[in-house]
Amino acid sequence: DIQMTQSPSSLSASVGDRVTITCRASRDINDWLAWYQQRPGKSPKLLIYGASILQSGVPSRFSGGGSRTDFTLTINSLQPEDVATYYCQKYDGAPLTFGGGTKVEIK
Amino acid sequence: EVQLLESGGGLVQPGGSLRLSCVVSGFTFSNYAMSWARQVPGKGLEWVSGISDSAIHTYNADSVQGRFTISRDNSKNTLYLQMSSLRVEDTATYYCAVHSGRDYYNYPMDGWGQGTTVTVSS
Repeated sequence: DIQMTQSPSSLSASVGDRVTITCRASRDINDWLAWYQQRPGKSPKLLIYGASILQSGVPSRFSGGGSRTDFTLTINSLQPEDVATYYCQKYDGAPLTFGGGTKVEIK
Repeated sequence: EVQLLESGGGLVQPGGSLRLSCVVSGFTFSNYAMSWARQVPGKGLEWVSGISDSAIHTYNADSVQGRFTISRDNSKNTLYLQMSSLRVEDTATYYCAVHSGRDYYNYPMDGWGQGTTVTVSS
């Protein structure tokens, strides 16, 4: 099975900072990569799919990039409401593996 | 508005069984694949099972293969997860989620329920 590795596992940044999270697949998954946001105590929410396509209603400060095995989620100008854990997930085929998550906090 | 409402969680002894349900509204249930994912308290997400729109294709993660069965009743807009031979390590919040297309692969999970908690303990 393909493994998904996220880094860092946690980060702390100031409001207005640019934040980048990386996700690496152990094999080529083309662009079958989604990013989810899970705020504390809430259910996950789809942010980005197809590696770089912003889900409807998601603020434009979020962006995704990469393909094949290396992917990024970038938050331009971090906001207090962005405090959450972010997960990548491959969905090219079963099993639909999630990365381990990146917890984002405000400094 | 898309809504997914899970139920059926609770406390069960190791080796026991439980059936989770997820009733959906706000979209044509029979046109979309569905999945169950779980999250151990304080830990990450784990995809558990998926089922295609017509239930022709299903898949279970290795961790639950042979113990959990995913199914759906399109006439009742309801997704199920039958869990048997439960283990302490199955303790988690279980979420149902809808995919944006007919299969659980090639389509992301674009709607999630609020989750139901399963505790396996003696």
